Amino acid sequence: EIVLTQSPGTLSLSPGDSATLSCRASEGISSSYLAWYQHKPGQAPWLLIYGASSRATGIPDRFSGSGSGTDFTLTISRLEPEDFAVYYCQQYGGSPLYTFGQGTKLEIK
Amino acid sequence: EVQLVESGGGLVKPGGSLRLSCAASGFTFSSYGMNWVRQAPGKGLEWVSSISSRSSYIYYTDSVKGRFTISRDDVKNSLYLQMNSLRADDTAVYYCVRGSYYFDYWGRGTLVTVSS
Repeated sequence: EIVLTQSPGTLSLSPGDSATLSCRASEGISSSYLAWYQHKPGQAPWLLIYGASSRATGIPDRFSGSGSGTDFTLTISRLEPEDFAVYYCQQYGGSPLYTFGQGTKLEIK
Repeated sequence: EVQLVESGGGLVKPGGSLRLSCAASGFTFSSYGMNWVRQAPGKGLEWVSSISSRSSYIYYTDSVKGRFTISRDDVKNSLYLQMNSLRADDTAVYYCVRGSYYFDYWGRGTLVTVSS
């Protein structure tokens, strides 16, 4: 089983700051199969990044993804109030077919 | 506009059954792989099951194999999850999700509570 470990667990920042979220895989994965989601309480999760670095439709360029192999990063520049949420990375392949990281909570400082 | 609307959640006793439904609209349902993803209270997201277009491939996470059955009706544009032998650790919000390799549209979820 491929385990995704996200860090930090909680990130406290202010609007206007930049955020760097990490996702580390227990073994190498294809960049094509790494995605990031934003999840706010009571709402549906929202796809931000797929293929490690491609922005989903309508996602502002403040959100960027990078990485390969076992280390992936989601960077959010110029934080807006609506960006404070929980962020998950997700990979496809192996058993189970899909796995998620445990999440990083981005909170207002 | 893509819409995924889940229904069928509720309170059920351990060992009981529920059938979740997901009504899809705004896209050609038959062309897409579909999935169920759940989130237990206070926990993260967990993939449950996937079904490919034309139901060619079906997958489950180990903890639900033999208890849950995913299916789809491409005429009714609907996705289903039959859940049997429910356990307390199946308590979660269940999301209907579109996509293969990654999940590009999610419903708002339906809550399943397994408790005596």
